[in-house]
Amino acid sequence: DIVMTQSPDSLAVSLGERATINCKSGQSVLYSSNNKNYLAWYQQKSGQPPKLLIYWASTRESGVPDRFSGSGSGTDFTLTISSLQAEDVAVYYCQQYYSTPFTFGPGTKVDIK
Amino acid sequence: EVQLVESGGGLVQPGGSLRLSCAASGFTFSSYWMSWVRQAPGKGLEWVANIKQDGSEKYYVDSMKGRFTISRDNAKNSLYLQMNSLRAEDTAVYYCARGGSRAYYPLDYWGQGTLVTVSS
Repeated sequence: DIVMTQSPDSLAVSLGERATINCKSGQSVLYSSNNKNYLAWYQQKSGQPPKLLIYWASTRESGVPDRFSGSGSGTDFTLTISSLQAEDVAVYYCQQYYSTPFTFGPGTKVDIK
Repeated sequence: EVQLVESGGGLVQPGGSLRLSCAASGFTFSSYWMSWVRQAPGKGLEWVANIKQDGSEKYYVDSMKGRFTISRDNAKNSLYLQMNSLRAEDTAVYYCARGGSRAYYPLDYWGQGTLVTVSS
């Protein structure tokens, strides 16, 4: 199984400031035949199901604000919220869908400072 | 509008069984891989299993293989999870989620979840 790790476990950022979350996979999730990274980011607000934000490591899901961006390749990935808004308070998870089981990272809790 | 509505959760004794259902609407159910994902109280997300459009391929996380069975009925636009030999550690909210037209796709729509509590 591919182990996913995230850092930090939690962070508090002032409104309007940048938040950066890191995700690392235990093996590469880059598929060489199509040069795609099989890595997604989800946002889960309290009491709600997860919501897909980013897939293929950097493609924003339809309707997701452009302050959310994903980057990275191979085994190291980053989710950036360029200007944190109050509605972005949530837990963020990365997930690899390169091979089953489709493992998730442990999550990063984002709060307002 | 895509909708996924889970049902069938509840309180069950250790060693018992439960069958979860997920009713899908707003999209062509038979065209998508489907998954179950669970979340223990206060914990992170754990992918459980997925199933191909025609049910011919199924994949499970090792810890649930042999106890859980995923299935679907495309005529009823429904996804199922049969859970046997339940343990306290299976207590979680179980989400149904839509995959893609191919096996290795992210989960783009999720239901609200159904809570399973395993306790005597």
